[in-house]
Amino acid sequence: DAGVIQSPRHEVTEMGQEVTLRCKPISGHNSLFWYRQTMMRGLELLIYFNNNVPIDDSGMPEDRFSAKMPNASFSTLKIQPSEPRDSAVYFCASSLGGAHTDTQYFGPGTRLTVL
Amino acid sequence: DQQVKQNSPSLSVQEGRISILNCDYTNSMFDYFLWYKKYPAEGPTFLISISSIKDKNEDGRFTVFLNKSAKHLSLHIVPSQPGDSAVYFCAAGPQGGSEKLVFGKGMKLTVNP
Repeated sequence: DAGVIQSPRHEVTEMGQEVTLRCKPISGHNSLFWYRQTMMRGLELLIYFNNNVPIDDSGMPEDRFSAKMPNASFSTLKIQPSEPRDSAVYFCASSLGGAHTDTQYFGPGTRLTVL
Repeated sequence: DQQVKQNSPSLSVQEGRISILNCDYTNSMFDYFLWYKKYPAEGPTFLISISSIKDKNEDGRFTVFLNKSAKHLSLHIVPSQPGDSAVYFCAAGPQGGSEKLVFGKGMKLTVNP
């Protein structure tokens, strides 16, 4: 049974370029989370979807970040334009229920480097 | 302002001994706590959780203790095994899960054979 799938696994880009990260949640899961991990701030929630609807985007750092979930099996996190301080590991997670305390299943992450 | 703190960035123990990982929180609204384990190049995986109505929860070699008055929880691993070497994240949130979890920065555990 496939877990959460993220692509690409690694992304190196130059400042100012658009970056799109992709996530396929576990089939049947109703909630999807995008997290960012940095040394300074640890693991932070960026945005949370329930039944494909964005519920909480208070963690999105600024307007350069946007996320979509057009259907139950796909989500994207876009950064435009990217900046060096966006360099981090971005995780997507999904859960069966709608509570943040439900077990979240994380993907392997996308390591983003912005030069 | 960190609401969930894992003050020690790393811990090294011998195989077979006890590993104790600590976590402190500041928000009194937190009443559900989770531990996630993360191996290199993988995402975090859920390990164990505890609700504030309990002060202890066990799952095999893993036990989590909660001291609400001290706003402190700890994860005990007994006996520690080399495969337990990973980064451990403590997370906290309100019961019911209506608000996002707050994660600590993680602690790297190394279990030496």
